[in-house]
Amino acid sequence: GAGVSQTPSNKVTEKGKYVELRCDPISGHTALYWYRQSLGQGPEFLIYFQGTGAADDSGLPNDRFFAVRPEGSVSTLKIQRTERGDSAVYLCASSLMEREETADTQYFGPGTRLTVL
Amino acid sequence: AQTVTQSQPEMSVQEAETVTLSCTYDTSENNYYLFWYKQPPSRQMILVIRQEAYKQQNATENRFSVNFQKAAKSFSLKISDSQLGDTAMYFCAFMKHVDAGGTSYGKLTFGQGTILTVHP
Repeated sequence: GAGVSQTPSNKVTEKGKYVELRCDPISGHTALYWYRQSLGQGPEFLIYFQGTGAADDSGLPNDRFFAVRPEGSVSTLKIQRTERGDSAVYLCASSLMEREETADTQYFGPGTRLTVL
Repeated sequence: AQTVTQSQPEMSVQEAETVTLSCTYDTSENNYYLFWYKQPPSRQMILVIRQEAYKQQNATENRFSVNFQKAAKSFSLKISDSQLGDTAMYFCAFMKHVDAGGTSYGKLTFGQGTILTVHP
């Protein structure tokens, strides 16, 4: 597709359940990012992938959160034992990363709104 | 750590008029980049404009322009000839390069956002 896509658009789950959120980056973009946006706040960085590897996962709040990108394209953010505090919009972004040291513009998807009851 | 502050939680403007959104940031870096993103109710974060800190000239993009004051660490967005479609949440964001996992990448830090409403 032309832009970053994310599925599902909305996800409602119960406390303690496991969820997976999917991100399809722009074709050819090697860099992929996940952010979490709480209500009324700006996005906060979670994790950065360069290719298949998670180069920076310093933003993941705890070990219940995990993300993969096995083939260097689609990424899945996984949340185990969800808590009500995990409710937020989860945004994915991708960038071209032609060269290091360039400020690649990040292009965002529409996000997945996660609600934990 | 970098911080980005948007001191105006909400702003409103009449259609066709001009509005300025404020943003200040705190950093010890010399090389960095600044962005304004727009997020309408659809949640899609859309890039409005970007500015390289090493460039003295203020960036412009059609009706959107910035006033970049590096010494004051200020980066305001001016929207001219406001249109109804400009109604959205606007985020100021700071990017610096960080080294991680043997690679270098641009890490974004966002402000809290300003809700802009354009009235007919």
